Amino acid sequence: AQSVAQPEDQVNVAEGNPLTVKCTYSVSGNPYLFWYVQYPNRGLQFLLKYITGDNLVKGSYGFEAEFNKSQTSFHLKKPSALVSDSALYFCAVRAPTGTASKLTFGTGTRLQVTL
Amino acid sequence: NAGVTQTPKFRVLKTGQSMTLLCAQDMNHEYMYWYRQDPGMGLRLIHYSVGEGTTAKGEVPDGYNVSRLKKQNFLLGLESAAPSQTSVYFCASSYSVWSGSYEQYFGPGTRLTVT
Repeated sequence: AQSVAQPEDQVNVAEGNPLTVKCTYSVSGNPYLFWYVQYPNRGLQFLLKYITGDNLVKGSYGFEAEFNKSQTSFHLKKPSALVSDSALYFCAVRAPTGTASKLTFGTGTRLQVTL
Repeated sequence: NAGVTQTPKFRVLKTGQSMTLLCAQDMNHEYMYWYRQDPGMGLRLIHYSVGEGTTAKGEVPDGYNVSRLKKQNFLLGLESAAPSQTSVYFCASSYSVWSGSYEQYFGPGTRLTVT
């Protein structure tokens, strides 16, 4: 069975500083990996994905993520955080086989960016 | 495009009552999903559908039923609500795996309280 771990319930960072939100995964075969963001009282918004190719993928709002196969990690990063980045972030994994794009989500990491 | 919409946005039920949550998407997606979100547990898949007239169980299907009579709609039913079903419910949709696009698009959610 596939699984995702987000080891930090909350990450605090000052505006302008770089941020990292950690994610590790477990899946049979090559993983399809995703990051989503959820603002208060809203649905999840897709940020970026890794399917194949370059280990560094770029997404919306200046976010990027680095796929590391040996460490089974897919950490979300941004060079300079904004207060408006404060939200709940979810990492998700999909196994490469199967007819439905079923995702397994982590428990989420709350990002708090302060002035 | 409205994307993925859900009705109602909020609902309070008494134990034993029934209700149906409606999800609609206007992106011509083949796949649709129902999740529930509970604090500290991320999103868990309840049921999903890979096409009109087909449904399948997800991770936590007990107490729920679904139907997909039209491609654009996916209904989630609670026949006899229980307090354990108090949660925020999200609908999502995606293209089929043959499209090469695997991300899911989420609705705004329905907050359900069962007393």
